[in-house]
Amino acid sequence: DTAVSQTPKYLVTQMGNDKSIKCEQNLGHDTMYWYKQDSKKFLKIMFSYNNKELIINETVPNRFSPKSPDKAHLNLHINSLELGDSAVYFCASSQVRLARDEQFFGPGTRLTVL
Amino acid sequence: DQQVKQNSPSLSVQEGRISILNCDYTNSMFDYFLWYKKYPAEGPTFLISISSIKDKNEDGRFTVFLNKSAKHLSLHIVPSQPGDSAVYFCAAQTRAGGTSYGKLTFGQGTILTVHP
Repeated sequence: DTAVSQTPKYLVTQMGNDKSIKCEQNLGHDTMYWYKQDSKKFLKIMFSYNNKELIINETVPNRFSPKSPDKAHLNLHINSLELGDSAVYFCASSQVRLARDEQFFGPGTRLTVL
Repeated sequence: DQQVKQNSPSLSVQEGRISILNCDYTNSMFDYFLWYKKYPAEGPTFLISISSIKDKNEDGRFTVFLNKSAKHLSLHIVPSQPGDSAVYFCAAQTRAGGTSYGKLTFGQGTILTVHP
């Protein structure tokens, strides 16, 4: 049973297209996140949702729009894709109020913009 | 402005010896620190954490040390095993006030290779 799953695993697309990445967690967590790992391997937070409410938005271009239909899902829609959007995108979830607050990550989606 | 830094991109160690991975941070508001391990084509997985009220936390072969005055933490793996070969990320969090909602700031990772 996969705790945090993402689809698709690989995504190759042309500049200017619109694409979505889906994320689902079956851990019953109340908080979900999107991270971006760029070519320099830094993992940077993009968004955080707590109980379907946007909590963190780290000055990400508004071409990126997260959507949380329910606590178990957090999707990422990207409009007008640019070359610089090529990266690996990781979804994660956690139960923030727990003492340990470890985040569980999905396997990542490698996005390549041509 | 990188608030969490792992200055060694890679580390190579013989099986059975100690691996020491280092991490420095600049933000004095960080009060909780975590280490994550990542295999290729997988997401990071939680390894061990430490609160700023402690200076050491141990879990089996893994020990994390925190030196707040130096804003430095390290992960010790003893003894190292070939299966430990992975990328190790240091991460930091601000928990005081409870408003961070889990935001993690990551270092850029250190590739550990353990040779048989």
